[in-house]
Amino acid sequence: DGGITQSPKYLFRKEGQNVTLSCEQNLNHDAMYWYRQDPGQGLRLIYYSQIVNDFQKGDIAEGYSVSREKKESFPLTVTSAQKNPTAFYLCASQTGAGNTIYFGEGSWLTVV
Amino acid sequence: AQSVTQPDIHITVSEGASLELRCNYSYGATPYLFWYVQSPGQGLQLLLKYFSGDTLVQGIKGFEAEFKRSQSSFNLRKPSVHWSDAAEYFCAVATNNAGNMLTFGGGTRLMVKP
Repeated sequence: DGGITQSPKYLFRKEGQNVTLSCEQNLNHDAMYWYRQDPGQGLRLIYYSQIVNDFQKGDIAEGYSVSREKKESFPLTVTSAQKNPTAFYLCASQTGAGNTIYFGEGSWLTVV
Repeated sequence: AQSVTQPDIHITVSEGASLELRCNYSYGATPYLFWYVQSPGQGLQLLLKYFSGDTLVQGIKGFEAEFKRSQSSFNLRKPSVHWSDAAEYFCAVATNNAGNMLTFGGGTRLMVKP
């Protein structure tokens, strides 16, 4: 089935460690996004990419990094510089301008 | 900058009752408007969207929403709620022609009483 796959679903990280969240889509979508969701809050945009080998910072990019080496993959690295990394992370993709944005099932990151 | 407000953090309705979830946006021009639903621990599913045309938009699962420019609102409605509608609902606005830079409201959690 086509869709967006995020892994792992649950991840625990020690303070000071970097961690990478995977996002893969087989929808042939050009644009991909990473959002962060905190309890009781809406989603906030971390990074987005409109085409391969290009990406832009969103509203809360500090402490995060991404890459877009392949159209179907858009991994997010949460670095040790991110002050409050514990959150629910959602990856999304879109086929083109004005079209629906589809979301993955999300990844829970907990810093212990 | 654009913003989206969902005034109701929690709403509880009885099964079979009607539902209206409020959404107000702040943006100078005509926005692109969306409603998404999220089940606990899951991703978001698009219910409906408004880009242009008829201001009353029909979506999936029996939901509809009406765009009112004069009130800067895009309220979500359903005439008869089912227990399976219990979830969190997010209103979002995109303010560019690509319809892809979404700003989300804080969400409204819907609970359904039997």
